Amino acid sequence: GENVEQHPSTLSVQEGDSAVIKCTYSDSASNYFPWYKQELGKGPQLIIDIRSNVGEKKDQRIAVTLNKTAKHFSLHITETQPEDSAVYFCAASSSSGYALNFGKGTSLLVTP
Amino acid sequence: GAVVSQHPSRVICKSGTSVKIECRSLDFQATTMFWYRQFPKQSLMLMATSNEGSKATYEQGVEKDKFLINHASLTLSTLTVASAHPEDSSFYICSALLAGQETQYFGPGTRLLVL
Repeated sequence: GENVEQHPSTLSVQEGDSAVIKCTYSDSASNYFPWYKQELGKGPQLIIDIRSNVGEKKDQRIAVTLNKTAKHFSLHITETQPEDSAVYFCAASSSSGYALNFGKGTSLLVTP
Repeated sequence: GAVVSQHPSRVICKSGTSVKIECRSLDFQATTMFWYRQFPKQSLMLMATSNEGSKATYEQGVEKDKFLINHASLTLSTLTVASAHPEDSSFYICSALLAGQETQYFGPGTRLLVL
């Protein structure tokens, strides 16, 4: 599938700080960009998503921004809490049906 | 809403046996379900797309005779790992697509260990 690059691979922040995870994609036909949170031994959980006709979306402490021209999108978590610790995956829709191309994940650790 | 379940959550089997994993959308109908495989500390790898009432579409490199997919109803898709071997040990996750939407909702995953 098309590439989705995700950075950083690991991120450690102190409780209360902000965390930013960035992704780039290569398929210009991608128009849907979800973010998933995966805790150890569990399935991914959708936390926020954005479509190409929107530049920014916010849901409480979580926000996502999208720059279609540059083909990159970012996840912002403010006022981080220890329970935010998990692996976060970005994804971009594929030009072939509804399949998603996933980034390699970011392991976020929030220390008290 | 949009809950997806998987059964079993964990299975240990001997090499050569077949293992069936069920994926159910509990509170919605899913015309399309996806099956992923995930190795430790890696991303999700799409194995196949399962459409209700038709044959599954497999990704390149995934053996359709080894990973048998059946999507018999709008709420159930099954993945059967035929003649499992130790290299098939992995975390298998399904997702279901809300009809008419792009959002994929994931199941909790099935941990397969082949001895």
